[in-house]
Amino acid sequence: DAGITQSPRHKVTETGTPVTLRCHQTENHRYMYWYRQDPGHGLRLIHYSYGVKDTDKGEVSDGYSVSRSKTEDFLLTLESATSSQTSVYFCAISATGGPSQETQYFGPGTRLLVL
Amino acid sequence: AQTVTQSQPEMSVQEAETVTLSCTYDTSESDYYLFWYKQPPSRQMILVIRQEAYKQQNATENRFSVNFQKAAKSFSLKISDSQLGDAAMYFCAYRDTGANSKLTFGKGITLSVRP
Repeated sequence: DAGITQSPRHKVTETGTPVTLRCHQTENHRYMYWYRQDPGHGLRLIHYSYGVKDTDKGEVSDGYSVSRSKTEDFLLTLESATSSQTSVYFCAISATGGPSQETQYFGPGTRLLVL
Repeated sequence: AQTVTQSQPEMSVQEAETVTLSCTYDTSESDYYLFWYKQPPSRQMILVIRQEAYKQQNATENRFSVNFQKAAKSFSLKISDSQLGDAAMYFCAYRDTGANSKLTFGKGITLSVRP
C-alpha cells in the first residue's frame, strides 16, 4: 500500500470557519491531488500539485485553496466553510515517469461535516 | 473534455457467479489509460486494474479482467467467481497520457453479492 495519510479523518465544523486538511506521503512522489466525493458525482478533482509550490485548479476549485511547501505534504484549505462543502475528501499521489506515473493511489479519506 | 459514463447505478451477483460492470468513455485521444477502482464500505479507494489504450491485450488481475473495446470506447470489468468481499462501489476512470493529465471518474456502480 502507498504510504498516504490524511488528517483529520473526521471533522465537524461550523459555517464560516476555516478548515485545513492535510495529506502526507512517504513515497516521495511528485504529483499530489485533492478530490471530493459526493453521492451521484463520483470523485471530482479540486486541486492538484505537480511539485513543491506548483499547483493548479481542478474542476471544482471554487472555495478551496492549496499549498505544498514540502514534497511530502499537500494542504487543502477551506477559507470559510459552507454546508455545500460537506463531503468526503480524498488525497491521491502518483509517481513521476514510467507506467506507475499513470496510476494514482489514494489516502483513506477525510469526512467533513459543515453545520 | 473527456467524460466517463457508468450507466448502471447498481448490480447484484450471486456468490461464485460472474458479473460484468459496464463503462463507456468519450475522448478524441488515441493514447490514454483506463482504470477500475474499488471502494468497499471502509471508503478506501483500491486500484483493481489498469489498461493502456495502445495495448490490444485485455488486462487481467486474478479474478478481475477487462473487455477493452477501443473503437466502441467501452471498458467493462468482469469479476469471476464473485466473493462476498467483492461487494463495493466500483469506479471507472480515464486519464490522458500527458504529464499533468488528470483522472476523470464515472459516477460509480454499487455491486452487491448475494450469499
